[in-house]
Amino acid sequence: KQEVTQIPAALSVPEGENLVLNCSFTDSAIYNLQWFRQDPGKGLTSLLLIQSSQREQTSGRLNASLDKSSGRSTLYIAASQPGDSATYLCAAGSRGSQGNLIFGKGTKLSVKP
Amino acid sequence: GAVVSQHPSWVICKSGTSVKIECRSLDFQATTMFWYRQFPKQSLMLMATSNEGSKATYEQGVEKDKFLINHASLTLSTLTVTSAHPEDSSFYICSATGGLAGALAKNIQYFGAGTRLSVL
Repeated sequence: KQEVTQIPAALSVPEGENLVLNCSFTDSAIYNLQWFRQDPGKGLTSLLLIQSSQREQTSGRLNASLDKSSGRSTLYIAASQPGDSATYLCAAGSRGSQGNLIFGKGTKLSVKP
Repeated sequence: GAVVSQHPSWVICKSGTSVKIECRSLDFQATTMFWYRQFPKQSLMLMATSNEGSKATYEQGVEKDKFLINHASLTLSTLTVTSAHPEDSSFYICSATGGLAGALAKNIQYFGAGTRLSVL
């Protein structure tokens, strides 16, 4: 059974700092790995999706990497801004299903001005 | 493109009543829709997967008679929480996938904004 773990559970940084969020998964037979952003009481905003054959994806100040063999993914945020404050979720997409996503509990990020 | 609308965004109801939540794909045909539940400070947990025109597949521990799912068309799925109780209070989120051009897009789930259910 796939389990997804995110460390740290919460992170507070000053504005402008570069930071890394970590995600690990127990079953390396994933179809893809996605990173989402969730604002308080809101739904999910997809940030990046990495297919199992890829090693990284970039979008603006965000870069996500995937290492299937070690069961890890990282989300790198460059030059953090207060508007980046949110909970970041990673989710592993499983093979053989219709795209079932297994989510981690998230990392709550606070970027202080 | 790929917008999923979820309604209502917030509902408060008395214990014992039933609540219906709608999930619509506005600009694409969703062959598959997923329903998730998120308790405070917990992760999203998949409740069920529904395909248009067929019965939903429920995850272990989810009561299919309590959480009725209907996926009558390629753009609409509904989740009905029957005889809701305070322990059903949670954040319910739907997602939809399928039908967009390109193999890559078929694997992407597009999420609604969620429905916060409070049962008094």
